[in-house]
Amino acid sequence: AQTVTQSQPEMSVQEAETVTLSCTYDTSESDYYLFWYKQPPSRQMILVIRQEAYKQQNATENRFSVNFQKAAKSFSLKISDSQLGDAAMYFCAWEGAQKLVFGQGTRLTINP
Amino acid sequence: DTGVSQDPRHKITKRGQNVTFRCDPISEHNRLYWYRQTLGQGPEFLTYFQNEAQLEKSRLLSDRFSAERPKGSFSTLEIQRTEQGDSAMYLCASSGWYNEQFFGPGTRLTVL
Repeated sequence: AQTVTQSQPEMSVQEAETVTLSCTYDTSESDYYLFWYKQPPSRQMILVIRQEAYKQQNATENRFSVNFQKAAKSFSLKISDSQLGDAAMYFCAWEGAQKLVFGQGTRLTINP
Repeated sequence: DTGVSQDPRHKITKRGQNVTFRCDPISEHNRLYWYRQTLGQGPEFLTYFQNEAQLEKSRLLSDRFSAERPKGSFSTLEIQRTEQGDSAMYLCASSGWYNEQFFGPGTRLTVL
């Protein structure tokens, strides 16, 4: 069975600084997708960034980028120039066979 | 594109009662998913539909749970004889041809 592990229950960062959230996963599949989702307090889950496992190039979306290490089964999220609106729970997720497997989440706090 | 909607947003019920939740996906999406999220945890997959066919059910989906998607449009999730352990946020998501799931706001169930 696939598992996703986020080892940082909580992280905090100063506004405008950079923070990296860690994620590791375990799978025997060769073809899959990886995602980072953001869930603000009392608000719905929003997709932040996605990575196809067959692509070696790391995905980037504006201030958000990933470090995808397929052999190490690692998929970290870097947020640059952190903003107050980035405060949320962040979930790493693996997708194969049409279903998402989520990690436990990392609560990110932005200090003004 | 109005996004994924769920109704009701909150439901409080007494143990032993039946409850039904509704999800309306993004109109052109053929896949629909149900997840359950307990406090402080990542969502867990329950089941998914491609059009009107229910293609996979998690072991989490006990016999008290049933989901339908008549005509491949909206979906309902029914829980019979609710138990306190059923208290959670029930999330619906939909996707089209690309592996990107869009989530609704969720239905928060409290079983007293």
